[in-house]
Amino acid sequence: GNSVTQMEGPVTLSEEAFLTINCTYTATGYPSLFWYVQYPGEGLQLLLKATKADDKGSNKGFEATYRKETTSFHLEKGSVQVSDSAVYFCALTAGSEKLTFGTGTRLTIIP
Amino acid sequence: EAGVAQSPRYKIIEKRQSVAFWCNPISGHATLYWYQQILGQGPKLLIQFQNNGVVDDSQLPKDRFSAERLKGVDSTLKIQPAKLEDSAVYLCASSLDGITGELFFGEGSRLTVL
Repeated sequence: GNSVTQMEGPVTLSEEAFLTINCTYTATGYPSLFWYVQYPGEGLQLLLKATKADDKGSNKGFEATYRKETTSFHLEKGSVQVSDSAVYFCALTAGSEKLTFGTGTRLTIIP
Repeated sequence: EAGVAQSPRYKIIEKRQSVAFWCNPISGHATLYWYQQILGQGPKLLIQFQNNGVVDDSQLPKDRFSAERLKGVDSTLKIQPAKLEDSAVYLCASSLDGITGELFFGEGSRLTVL
């Protein structure tokens, strides 16, 4: 079956630091990959997505590249801000399969 | 545009009691989902509706959980009787077509079973 393995947290960084949150996946077929984010007190929301190999999803300064050869979709940001503190979930869907989430990575940015 | 609405936001009950959660999806979204998110885990799909028909309920504990989506709009999720391990946040989400993986989530309903 489909599965997502995420970097365990929590992750604590100083403001303006470089961020990487690792995500690898196992899937049959050709999955679409997603990063969802949950800010404190809010619902999950889509951050970015990529639907085929070598695609790069980007939003709000975050990027992730769909790497089929390494089955990875790592989330990166060059300079994090306090407002980026949240829980980040990697997820995938393959065909009509349901969206499968990783366990989430809690990120805290210190001023 | 209004988002996905859920209620109640918080509920505390004792084991063996019953509870119901309500969800109103984004207008025009055909697909509605209920997810269970246990502390420290990612959301797990309980049930997916396409309009008012069930697409996937393979992970719904049908001996105690039930869900319906009347008229293809609002939905309710019921737990009866509740167990301690049902303590979680219940997330409702909707999407236009149920295919792209782009879901819009509500803020969730946090259940504590004592």
